[in-house]
Amino acid sequence: SAVISQKPSRDICQRGTSLTIQCQVDSQVTMMFWYRQQPGQSLTLIATANQGSEATYESGFVIDKFPISRPNLTFSTLTVSNMSPEDSSIYLCSVEQGPNQPQHFGDGTRLSIL
Amino acid sequence: AQSVAQPEDQVKVAEGNPLTVKCTYSVSGNPYLFWYVQYPNRGLQFLLKYITGDNLVKGSYGFEAEFNKSQTSFHLKKPSALVSDSALYFCAVRDADYGQNFVFGPGTRLSVLP
Repeated sequence: SAVISQKPSRDICQRGTSLTIQCQVDSQVTMMFWYRQQPGQSLTLIATANQGSEATYESGFVIDKFPISRPNLTFSTLTVSNMSPEDSSIYLCSVEQGPNQPQHFGDGTRLSIL
Repeated sequence: AQSVAQPEDQVKVAEGNPLTVKCTYSVSGNPYLFWYVQYPNRGLQFLLKYITGDNLVKGSYGFEAEFNKSQTSFHLKKPSALVSDSALYFCAVRDADYGQNFVFGPGTRLSVLP
């Protein structure tokens, strides 16, 4: 299965600032996803990162708040913009290598906003 | 619409005893079903999947799960629990016929007592 590296692993940020999270995969993958997981909670899909086109956002998430880049088949970034304490969460990158295949996850970015 | 329920938010078993973590699902078409485990400060690790074929599927670390179409269930089982199995477990479903995204259950925290 693909190996996914996510950076940073954790950060503490000031209110109103932005943070970009990176996700690097060791092989080319078609599908990449970004999730949010509040501590002890389930995963909520933010968006699907599409290579060469705009990301597809789920209801409740907008591009201005969570801009996503996908410059190639092995890399994506998620930016959390104009952060507030409500954005404190774990952000997870995942990849999928086929329609009947499992998603594989990075270790996540633990974000705290003061 | 797809949905996943994990009726127990916490399960406690003694080491050496069998364990069951329950999952029920709802999809319009045929289900693809997955189990993941999450250890502290880690991403989700894939355990096993049901796509088609035998209802009993075997996965990593001695885990298995049984697909029951009539009961729309996919319970995770292990014959003999280890303390190291203590973690957060997530069931996930995808509708195979409608190509929708993964939907994750709320999670069940498993505690294996020495």
